[in-house]
Amino acid sequence: LAKTTQPISMDSYEGQEVNITCSHNNIATNDYITWYQQFPSQGPRFIIQGYKTKVTNEVASLFIPADRKSSTLSLPRVSLSDTAVYYCLVGFYSGGGADGLTFGKGTHLIIQP
Amino acid sequence: GAVVSQHPSRVICKSGTSVKIECRSLDFQATTMFWYRQFPKQSLMLMATSNEGSKATYEQGVEKDKFLINHASLTLSTLTVTSAHPEDSSFYICSARDTGRGGVGYTFGSGTRLTVV
Repeated sequence: LAKTTQPISMDSYEGQEVNITCSHNNIATNDYITWYQQFPSQGPRFIIQGYKTKVTNEVASLFIPADRKSSTLSLPRVSLSDTAVYYCLVGFYSGGGADGLTFGKGTHLIIQP
Repeated sequence: GAVVSQHPSRVICKSGTSVKIECRSLDFQATTMFWYRQFPKQSLMLMATSNEGSKATYEQGVEKDKFLINHASLTLSTLTVTSAHPEDSSFYICSARDTGRGGVGYTFGSGTRLTVV
């Protein structure tokens, strides 16, 4: 699995757009990029997954440049409830796979009023 | 979407006793489930992969005789912490995979806070 590097922490304010970048220089051809969110004393929650270019869903956007060596999670108009740890994971998640996930240190995002 | 139920959410036990944690996939079948441990301020660490009908696969450094895993059905995996000690106090999280949904199919339980006194 490709190693990922994220900022340890970030601060922002309510209503702002927050971009969290993850580096994954050794990403393999078959690897997807997946982001999870974790609140204190809860299990991680899937946010978004992508392979290349841009993916958008109801909560976030994921930007992946052509070389795929990094990715940026974009959270539009954050609120206090977006304060959490965000994990970037890279791997080949085929339907028949049976591998557990390898979590890096994650980014602790703190949203202030 | 896929839902994973984990029980209990928190448990306090005395040193030397055993504790069982249950993980259920509610709306899908999971031949494979995963158990993670998370210490305060740290990331999740994969402990073992639970396989329905066969032995679990443990990560390096995880004692299989201490952390007993049983995956007797396609919707239930249990983790038993045997002869618990204070250093086993941690947040335990299970995950099940809905293989029909590819990478997005990793769904996590709400976790179990174990405190050994």
